[in-house]
Amino acid sequence: RKEVEQDPGPFNVPEGATVAFNCTYSNSASQSFFWYRQDCRKEPKLLMSVYSSGNEDGRFTAQLNRASQYISLLIRDSKLSDSATYLCVVNPRTDSWGKLQFGAGTQVVVTP
Amino acid sequence: NAGVTQTPKFQVLKTGQSMTLQCAQDMNHEYMSWYRQDPGMGLRLIHYSVGAGITDQGEVPNGYNVSRSTTEDFPLRLLSAAPSQTSVYFCASSYDRAETQYFGPGTRLLVL
Repeated sequence: RKEVEQDPGPFNVPEGATVAFNCTYSNSASQSFFWYRQDCRKEPKLLMSVYSSGNEDGRFTAQLNRASQYISLLIRDSKLSDSATYLCVVNPRTDSWGKLQFGAGTQVVVTP
Repeated sequence: NAGVTQTPKFQVLKTGQSMTLQCAQDMNHEYMSWYRQDPGMGLRLIHYSVGAGITDQGEVPNGYNVSRSTTEDFPLRLLSAAPSQTSVYFCASSYDRAETQYFGPGTRLLVL
């Protein structure tokens, strides 16, 4: 079983609609969580960190569910520019820098 | 401020050849790492460094060497290229254990 699992998609979303997807992680002791965005043939870039209480950044909302060991990302009012692959990243322990675990990504395609 | 730079952007090697992938950052980050990204898999850590003169192995270190003689540079050496090393290689750096990583643009490597 992979340590971080994501639905690869693609999630085809009409412009203006809402899309949400999850990422599950296997290590219950995991301490910190992130969403990165990766455009086609480009490098990953940090989209947002995920806090225990949930957090929002504009049209993006991230949630953490420790009991069920998953994080989620919701995109409201989708824009064409939101088309990308979204990578879930988990740090299993606070003292293990360098050992971040990456999901394979969820592809989102926003259509006109 | 160039951020993280990588050279070359593309490279084709024959099996058994060696080469060095260059990575440099101008953000004075202590932490640097090398990942490889393959289709359907998350980024996998090859080697990382927590400061000049200090390196350690990641998840998939076999066939690769690194050194960190300066804060700025973190080259990755392929000792004897194999087709299994065909991949996209990303270098990343971060300021501290806060884990926000800044990625370079990547090197696409094809080993024939």
